[in-house]
Amino acid sequence: EAGVVQSPRYKIIEKKQPVAFWCNPISGHNTLYWYLQNLGQGPELLIRYENEEAVDDSQLPKDRFSAERLKGVDSTLKIQPAELGDSAVYLCASSRRGRELFFGEGSRLTVL
Amino acid sequence: QKEVEQNSGPLSVPEGAIASLNCTYSDRGSQSFFWYRQYSGKSPELIMSIYSNGDKEDGRFTAQLNKASQYVSLLIRDSQPSDSATYLCAVSSGGYNKLIFGAGTRLAVHP
Repeated sequence: EAGVVQSPRYKIIEKKQPVAFWCNPISGHNTLYWYLQNLGQGPELLIRYENEEAVDDSQLPKDRFSAERLKGVDSTLKIQPAELGDSAVYLCASSRRGRELFFGEGSRLTVL
Repeated sequence: QKEVEQNSGPLSVPEGAIASLNCTYSDRGSQSFFWYRQYSGKSPELIMSIYSNGDKEDGRFTAQLNKASQYVSLLIRDSQPSDSATYLCAVSSGGYNKLIFGAGTRLAVHP
């Protein structure tokens, strides 16, 4: 069974530029998560989807961040415009309802 | 008070010893508890899940849960240098599907 797939693995951009991250969850996993992880910290939830519905986006900075999960499968996380403080690893994860959560490899963003 | 607290470490143990990692949480309604291992530069990898009070063993790993004390721990027996990593505790909050992570404990196993 394929794991959670994320792209790109690495992205370097200038501040104020836009950036987008893509995630394909494990087949059959209806719950999809986007987490942000800063160096030396645990993952922090940005948004959680149950199928197509964003059920928890309270930690998503909506002035510059947006996310979508069309057709309840793939998801895209966008930042526009990026700021220096957005440099971090963006982790996508998926799970079956109430069960173990599995992470992708992550997308490391560097904003210069 | 943070929702999930872990000692940041580093916890240094000699090869072959038992490593004990601890985690406390604030939400008394939490039902699901997980331990993840994260190597430097890699994403978190699930190693144990536990849902009821008591112990759960899987190979060299034992997870212990005490809901009354809001405490979950991970024991690693016969620690190996390859166990050197950051161990993240994750706890469900506000429903089964919302996982809150601690900041992690860095474990160093020295030969």
